[in-house]
Amino acid sequence: QKEVEQNSGPLSVPEGAIASLNCTYSDRGSQSFFWYRQYSGKSPELIMSIYSNGDKEDGRFTAQLNKASQYVSLLIRDSQPSDSATYLCAVRGSTLGRLYFGRGTQLTVWP
Amino acid sequence: DTGVSQDPRHKITKRGQNVTFRCDPISEHNRLYWYRQTLGQGPEFLTYFQNEAQLEKSRLLSDRFSAERPKGSFSTLEIQRTEQGDSAMYLCASSLTGALGPNSPLHFGNGTRLTVT
Repeated sequence: QKEVEQNSGPLSVPEGAIASLNCTYSDRGSQSFFWYRQYSGKSPELIMSIYSNGDKEDGRFTAQLNKASQYVSLLIRDSQPSDSATYLCAVRGSTLGRLYFGRGTQLTVWP
Repeated sequence: DTGVSQDPRHKITKRGQNVTFRCDPISEHNRLYWYRQTLGQGPEFLTYFQNEAQLEKSRLLSDRFSAERPKGSFSTLEIQRTEQGDSAMYLCASSLTGALGPNSPLHFGNGTRLTVT
């Protein structure tokens, strides 16, 4: 079992819709969780971090964390074509060292 | 804050040659990470430093790979006797163990794309 699992997609939504991206992790002691956006040929860019159970909102983005279920999600409201990218879920394990990354979910927002 | 800087941006080398990449982290950041990413995959951890100490190294990393951060500032990653399977994007990231402690996020550089022919 991989440390971080994501639906690889691709996920395709129309402009203005809500895009929902999901991630599960295996290390129950994990304490910090991140979502990165990666455009093709570019490096990952941090868009959200979350550390406690519940929801965290930042503009059109909402991160949700459920430690009991070992589940993290990212909602993108009012999706725009510029949101088309690969979204990487990253989890820092209980040793507080490396970040473990999922394979990423490719999102396409069509006009 | 000038961001994480990596050099070179691209490197093409022949199999069997040695290559070295450089990373300059965000100036006040004390942690520096190296990852490798291939097409369609997420970044794969290689190693990380806190200041000049190398605290963790992936078991997947062969002994052809070595990294240094001699003065706790910039870091180099060397790959000896390159193989075609080493072709990938090599990403450097840094973080600051400040208010968030070790839970602070990573900030990535633009990467070095290595092609081994």
